[in-house]
This record gives sequence, C-alpha cells and structure tokens, in this order.
Amino acid sequence: GEDVEQSLFLSVREGDSSVINCTYTDSSSTYLYWYKQEPGAGLQLLTYIFSNMDMKQDQRLTVLLNKKDKHLSLRIADTQTGDSAIYFCADEMEYGNKLVFGAGTILRVKS
Amino acid sequence: DTGVSQDPRHKITKRGQNVTFRCDPISEHNRLYWYRQTLGQGPEFLTYFQNEAQLEKSRLLSDRFSAERPKGSFSTLEIQRTEQGDSAMYLCASSLEGGLREQYFGPGTRLTVT
Repeated sequence: GEDVEQSLFLSVREGDSSVINCTYTDSSSTYLYWYKQEPGAGLQLLTYIFSNMDMKQDQRLTVLLNKKDKHLSLRIADTQTGDSAIYFCADEMEYGNKLVFGAGTILRVKS
Repeated sequence: DTGVSQDPRHKITKRGQNVTFRCDPISEHNRLYWYRQTLGQGPEFLTYFQNEAQLEKSRLLSDRFSAERPKGSFSTLEIQRTEQGDSAMYLCASSLEGGLREQYFGPGTRLTVT
C-alpha cells in the first residue's frame, strides 16, 4: 500500500528555522498536507500543497514539494516554543476520500 | 475548538466489553471519517460516510467494529469484545464532499482496554 515516512525527532533553538521532511510513495497524489498535533489535542491542519506546485508560503510556513523525488518539506521560520508539537505529513488518496499519514515528527523548541 | 465534538473523551474498559463512541460533525458537513491513532503513529483511516451511506471501510476495521451514521448527522463507532490491541485514540473528522482541504478533526476518544 501507499506509505508516508518522516524523521522522528527535530530539536531547534527558539528563533531558528525548522525543516521537517517527508517522503511518500503514491504516484497519483493530488494534495499533500501538514498537520500539527499538540498534547491532548486533535489534529490541526496547518497547510497543504497541490501536487502541481513546487512551493507554497503561508506566513511563517513554507512548503516545498519535489514531485520527482516524492519529497515534501515544511519550513517554519522564526520557530517559537509554541511550535513544539508533533507534525504529520499526509497524502490525499483516491480522489479525496481519505488521508494516509506519516508517523509524525516531534518538534522540540528550546528557549 | 474545530466544531467537531466527540464523546466520551476517555474510556477505560475491561477486555471483552463492548464500547461505543459518538462523533458530532460540523452541521453542514456531509462527509464523516473515523481514524485510529496508536501511540507513536499517525492516524490510520478506518471508514468514512457520505451522508448516511458508509462508502469505504479499511481492512483495519475487523468484524468487531461497526460504524453507523443513521440520519447523516452524528456517527457512532462500536467495538465489540474489546481486546488490548484496540487501545488507541479514535479520531473523527468531517468535511464537505471532495473537501479534504477543509477537513476538521475532533479531539478524539482515548480508549484504554485493561
């Protein structure tokens, strides 16, 4: 089946940029997503990118997509302690009927 | 608060008991999804409804699991004869048809089977 993989852990200092990486196997992805999950909370959609785009910027967030290599990244500029959370990459499957998630990257921001 | 609510938020049950969870989606959303998330993993798709019709079920959804959405509004997920391996967070999400870009997740129900 389709697979989405992420690195498990990232630690950065407050004010630095964070880059979270993701690879996927689905050749027919239409949209790819980044979600954030804080302790005890549900999933919050951060941003998404259409598969025909290379880059999308949304305030402090920049998403880069390399469709040839099936590589997606999320860059968070000026990372704050409030950005500490688990970040999930997700691939839209089968014409928008469901998402396949990676295992998540724990982002720890040190002050 | 995304507008999707789930009840209960936590459930502890003994192995072999039946449990039922409820999800109330955003009112105008006609699609409702159930996902399961185990510790250290991302959510895994279980099933989804469009209005009251259950359109897809994952292989993860064994015959001990049943989901309903009788009037196309709230949904229930029942697990019969619970096993320790069922311990997980059960997440509900809702969206408009074709609108995963506007899919909102509830806070989840954490199930612990002892």
